[in-house]
Amino acid sequence: QVQLQQSGPGLVKPSQTLSLACDISGDSVSSNSAAWNWIRQSPSRGLEWLGRTYYRSRWNTDYAVSVKGRIMINADTSKNQFSLQLNSVTPEDTAVYYCGNDGFDIWGQGTMVTVSS
Amino acid sequence: DVVMTQSPLSLPVTLGRPASISCMSSQSLVFSDGNTYLNWFQQRPGQSPRRLIYMLSNRDSGVPDRFSGSGSGTDFTLRINRVEAEDVGVYYCMQGTHWPPTFGGGTKVEI
Repeated sequence: QVQLQQSGPGLVKPSQTLSLACDISGDSVSSNSAAWNWIRQSPSRGLEWLGRTYYRSRWNTDYAVSVKGRIMINADTSKNQFSLQLNSVTPEDTAVYYCGNDGFDIWGQGTMVTVSS
Repeated sequence: DVVMTQSPLSLPVTLGRPASISCMSSQSLVFSDGNTYLNWFQQRPGQSPRRLIYMLSNRDSGVPDRFSGSGSGTDFTLRINRVEAEDVGVYYCMQGTHWPPTFGGGTKVEI
């Protein structure tokens, strides 16, 4: 049974970096048949896919155009986790952030992140 | 990006009666392999989304058989055979046929 457990701060100041981690149990972040996503949800933007990472002989990432240039998703095989970094945040980045697997049948518990000074 | 449009925004339901939610996509969701990558999710208050239906009409494990998905091309429907109190929440469609994956705006089901 795959489970995802998120961690990270719920308050970030404008212009700073949002950082969240997602611990995986029951699967491997470096599985050759899996991919790992970040999604966010806000009243203004609804559910929005942000990006993913996956391992196919090498690490790959895909990012949404809306956040490209500000986003980085990395995997840490020693911790069996993947992480989200979103730079230069503004109040428009305030949302509930979720990690999820490639089938979107497994989701983390969600982290409410508020961007405010 | 493929736009997913759901209707209605809000759906008042009666316990024991059927209910249906519509989802339309701006492009056909039939993939080159012949499959339609259309998912349905339920989100109860304070919870993460839960996938109910994948690839158009396949129920996830543990999902009651009163839930069913149907449709083709650009027009899709989630049906609840006989609504129960636990079905209250917001329902979303999501397409995975075209990159990037995109979600509908949600339909709030309330008694």
